[in-house]
Amino acid sequence: ETGVTQSPTHLIKTRGQQVTLRCSSQSGHNTVSWYQQALGQGPQFIFQYYREEENGRGNFPPRFSGLQFPNYSSELNVNALELDDSALYLCASSLRDLLYGYTFGSGTRLTVV
Amino acid sequence: AQSVTQLDSHVSVSEGTPVLLRCNYSSSYSPSLFWYVQHPNKGLQLLLKYTSAATLVKGINGFEAEFKKSETSFHLTKPSAHMSDAAEYFCVVSDRSKMNTGNQFYFGTGTSLTVIP
Repeated sequence: ETGVTQSPTHLIKTRGQQVTLRCSSQSGHNTVSWYQQALGQGPQFIFQYYREEENGRGNFPPRFSGLQFPNYSSELNVNALELDDSALYLCASSLRDLLYGYTFGSGTRLTVV
Repeated sequence: AQSVTQLDSHVSVSEGTPVLLRCNYSSSYSPSLFWYVQHPNKGLQLLLKYTSAATLVKGINGFEAEFKKSETSFHLTKPSAHMSDAAEYFCVVSDRSKMNTGNQFYFGTGTSLTVIP
């Protein structure tokens, strides 16, 4: 059983650029969620995807968007990067009812300069 | 609305002594509660979960937590701390009634556990 893998592990972008982060779900999981964890904070919910459609969204602007593919892998896209977007981005896969919790990836550390 | 308050941002214990990490939650519905641990530069690992079965929940690495509805608490304990327990711990609440509209986790701000040799 494979876990959740994210790529890249680190990247540096310039303010105003666009970025795409990728995530492969744990085998058997059909739901993917993305979280943003700023330094010294708990993770904040960005959005969740189920059956390739957005299934809930946190308090993030539309420049944060995502995709889920038929194999349940996912992408997080952020346009017009701002300095405050610098954070650890965590992907988590689960079954839809979250009864057993999430399996988290190790995250992508994004630095915006 | 759901929220989680972790009452201590930092806890320091000596190796071999008990650990207590405190968590209070607020939830409009029947909550699911979790504790996750995050080691430096690592992802989040599930320690244990409460989902309306037994109120005393046992997890991995000797951790356990007790759900107390009257106190809206879900404190994490371990009888004897080990050096490898040093990490950031997050208490999490999830509203199970929102499964069909985007279930999500609400994280506390975390408790940093230091274990002194």
